[in-house]
Amino acid sequence: AQSVTQPDIHITVSEGASLELRCNYSYGATPYLFWYVQSPGQGLQLLLKYLSGDTLVQGIKGFEAEFKRSQSSFNLRKPSVHWSDAAEYFCAVGTGGATNKLIFGTGTLLAVQP
Amino acid sequence: DAGVIQSPRHEVTEMGQEVTLRCKPISGHNSLFWYRQTMMRGLELLIYFNNNVPIDDSGMPEDRFSAKMPNASFSTLKIQPSEPRDSAVYFCASTLGLAGRETQYFGPGTRLLVL
Repeated sequence: AQSVTQPDIHITVSEGASLELRCNYSYGATPYLFWYVQSPGQGLQLLLKYLSGDTLVQGIKGFEAEFKRSQSSFNLRKPSVHWSDAAEYFCAVGTGGATNKLIFGTGTLLAVQP
Repeated sequence: DAGVIQSPRHEVTEMGQEVTLRCKPISGHNSLFWYRQTMMRGLELLIYFNNNVPIDDSGMPEDRFSAKMPNASFSTLKIQPSEPRDSAVYFCASTLGLAGRETQYFGPGTRLLVL
């Protein structure tokens, strides 16, 4: 069965430090992969997605993610975190075929220290 | 574009009452999704529609939950009767094209509290 694992429930980083959020997936075929961000009291917003091609994907707000098939991973990175990046981040895998839906991970809550 | 619109934004009700949540997708989008978010279970897909037809309702927790999409611009999620364990944030999302590969646009959610 398809699944997404985000091993870090909560991460705290200092403002200006680099960030990497981990995501591992389980899916038999080549997946579609997404990162969404949820600010407090808001709905989810797409940061970036991988559908095919270049495995390094650029997104909004200075985020990027790299698809590594050999590791079944799609980690999210940002070189310098801003206080406004404090939010919850969700990795998701899109399944095709008959199921054709998104499966979300449990999320990683990011806190940013001044 | 107004984005996905949900109403009400907050709902407090008593156990046993009927609750109706409403969603207006982005104009032109042909797929609509209902999600439930709780601390314990995270973000769960309840049901999704494509061209107003329910495609996958395997996430609907039980018969107390029902969803309809009478036209391309409106959907409802109904809980009857409601129970305290239904307390959660309910999100509606819409997309154009294939659900598994296209960007889903989320509404702001309805925060439901059942007393």
